[in-house]
Amino acid sequence: RKEVEQDPGPFNVPEGATVAFNCTYSNSASQSFFWYRQDCRKEPKLLMSVYSSGNEDGRFTAQLNRASQYISLLIRDSKLSDSATYLCVAHPNTGNQFYFGTGTSLTVIP
Amino acid sequence: EAQVTQNPRYLITVTGKKLTVTCSQNMNHEYMSWYRQDPGLGLRQIYYSMNVEVTDKGDVPEGYKVSRKEKRNFPLILESPSPNQTSLYFCASSLSRTSGRVRYEQYFGPGTRLTVT
Repeated sequence: RKEVEQDPGPFNVPEGATVAFNCTYSNSASQSFFWYRQDCRKEPKLLMSVYSSGNEDGRFTAQLNRASQYISLLIRDSKLSDSATYLCVAHPNTGNQFYFGTGTSLTVIP
Repeated sequence: EAQVTQNPRYLITVTGKKLTVTCSQNMNHEYMSWYRQDPGLGLRQIYYSMNVEVTDKGDVPEGYKVSRKEKRNFPLILESPSPNQTSLYFCASSLSRTSGRVRYEQYFGPGTRLTVT
């Protein structure tokens, strides 16, 4: 079983829509979680960090459910510029590795 | 400007010809890492380093070497590249301590696209 699993999509949503991605992780020792966005053939860029139950930044909200071992990303009022691949990452603070999901593809349609 | 740099950005080489991809960060991060990204497989960790002279294998270390002689640099070495090492490679750095709080966010370099023929 993979350490981190994401629905690969693709998600095709109209502008202005709200879209949510889920990510499950298998290592219960994971303490830090991150969402990155990656544009085609570019480096991943940090979108949000989650160290406790959740985080909110403008149109983006990340929530952590430790009991069910999943983390979600909610994007409200989608913009064309939100089209990208979103990567979920788990990091057990006691360990030294970062575990990436394979990414969820989002396309926002005019 | 805080950044992670990699060189070269693009490299085409032949099987067996040793190569080095350099990585440097200016954020005084303790942790540095190399990943490769392949279609359908996502980002996979090759090697990582917790600090100077401390390196460890990730999930796919075969065929790669690294060194960490200075905190800012973490070169990736392919002693004898093979076609299955054709991939997109990213270097990343992480782990900062600010006001007694440890932050684990990783920052990535722009990537190196390697083709081995």
